Amino acid sequence: GQQLNQSPQSMFIQEGEDVSMNCTSSSIFNTWLWYKQDPGEGPVLLIALYKAGELTSNGRLTAQFGITRKDSFLNISASIPSDVGIYFCAGQPLVNTGRRALTFGSGTRLQVQP
Amino acid sequence: DGGITQSPKYLFRKEGQNVTLSCEQNLNHDAMYWYRQDPGQGLRLIYYSQIVNDFQKGDIAEGYSVSREKKESFPLTVTSAQKNPTAFYLCASSPGPGATEAFFGQGTRLTVV
Repeated sequence: GQQLNQSPQSMFIQEGEDVSMNCTSSSIFNTWLWYKQDPGEGPVLLIALYKAGELTSNGRLTAQFGITRKDSFLNISASIPSDVGIYFCAGQPLVNTGRRALTFGSGTRLQVQP
Repeated sequence: DGGITQSPKYLFRKEGQNVTLSCEQNLNHDAMYWYRQDPGQGLRLIYYSQIVNDFQKGDIAEGYSVSREKKESFPLTVTSAQKNPTAFYLCASSPGPGATEAFFGQGTRLTVV
C-alpha cells in the first residue's frame, strides 16, 4: 500500500511550548486527516483537510494541506498535559487504485512535561 | 448514543485457536474497516468492506477472515494461520464511498499465549 512518512517519531516538550509535526508522501493525496490516540484507546479525528493549500484550525490545533498535495502538517500551540498521546496522519490517495481505505503514518508520540 | 462498539476490550487465547472479534456500529455507515496496531507502530489495514456482502483484502489479510452479512456488523476472525496474532485491533467505519473520514471503536487487545 501507500507509504506515509511522519516525523518526528517522538517529542518531549515543556508545557506551554508549541509543537509541529508533519507527514509526507511520494504520491498525491486528495484528503489529509489528523488523529490523536490516547493509550489503549482508538484514534479520534482532530482535523480533516480536503483542498490543496487549505488551512484549518480546531482550538489550539492548526493543520494545513500542502500545495503539492504530497504533505501536511499539524501544529499545536501552547501545549498542555492532556495533549499527551500519539498523533497520526492519514490520507486517501488521489490515484484510483480501487482501494478505498485510509493509509496511516507511523505516528508522532508526544509527551508534555508539566 | 451513536458509535462503534468493539468487544471484548481484552481477549486472551491459546495458540492454535481461532478467535472472533466483534465490531458493531449504529451510525448507519456503509463502509467498515479493520486495522492492526503493534507497539510503537502505525495502523495497518487488514480488511475493509464498502457495502453489505462485499469486502476486500487490505495490506495484511493473511491469517484473517471477515464477513459482512449486516450493515451494522463486521466481525474479524483471527485464525490459527496468523503467525503473530498478539496485537491491538481497531475497527472503524465511514459513511461510504466519497466520504473518507473514518471513526474508530475503542479497540480490542488480543493476547495469544
